[in-house]
Amino acid sequence: KAGVTQTPRYLIKTRGQQVTLSCSPISGHRSVSWYQQTPGQGLQFLFEYFSETQRNKGNFPGRFSGRQFSNSRSEMNVSTLELGDSALYLCASSLDTDIYEQYFGPGTRLTVT
Amino acid sequence: AQSVAQPEDQVNVAEGNPLTVKCTYSVSGNPYLFWYVQYPNRGLQFLLKYITGDNLVKGSYGFEAEFNKSQTSFHLKKPSALVSDSALYFCAVRRPNTNAGKSTFGDGTTLTVKP
Repeated sequence: KAGVTQTPRYLIKTRGQQVTLSCSPISGHRSVSWYQQTPGQGLQFLFEYFSETQRNKGNFPGRFSGRQFSNSRSEMNVSTLELGDSALYLCASSLDTDIYEQYFGPGTRLTVT
Repeated sequence: AQSVAQPEDQVNVAEGNPLTVKCTYSVSGNPYLFWYVQYPNRGLQFLLKYITGDNLVKGSYGFEAEFNKSQTSFHLKKPSALVSDSALYFCAVRRPNTNAGKSTFGDGTTLTVKP
C-alpha cells in the first residue's frame, strides 16, 4: 500500500502571499489530520477532516483553513503568510476507529521570507 | 483535558546499551497511548501502541513500552541501542471513543546513540 503523500515537499513564499498544500491519505483512510511542526512549539494540531467535514480544530487563526474531497484527499490553505508560519506541515491519515494509529506523510517544508 | 509530558529533551546512550525514553500522561479514564519516531526530514512513523491488555507492548525495530497505570507512565525501551535509533521520539495519548484529531502529543525527546 502506498503511504501518505504530500505535495509539494518544499515551498518558499513571501510574506502576504497565500499557499495551498496537498495531502493524499493511505487508501481506505477517511480521517486526515494536519499538524504544524516547529522547533520551538513542537507538534501543533491544526484540524482534522473526515468524510469532507471538519470535525476537530486546533487553536490557529482563521488564516489557516482546509478541506477534504470525496476521495479523502485533503488540502490546507494559509492566507496572508507571516514569517512565523515557516514550519514543517505534516499530514496524517487514519482509519476511523479510536484504536488506530496515525500514518504521517513526509511533510511540506514551508519557508516564508 | 489530557496532556503528555516527555521530561527529557535529550537522551544520550552508547551503542549496545539499553535505552529508555520517558513519557507520562494525564487523561480522564483509560488512555490509548502511542509512540512515534521521526527521522530527519521525514514524517512521524508509528512504533507501537497500548490499547488494552498486556501492559508490555512490543513494537517495530525491537522497541517495547510498558504501560504503568499507577504511575501514569508509558516509557519506551529497547534492550540494545543502535546508532540508527538516533531520532526524535514522540509519545501521544488519546481517550477511548475519540478520533485521531483528539490526540495529544508530547514535545518530543531527541535520542542520540553514540558508537
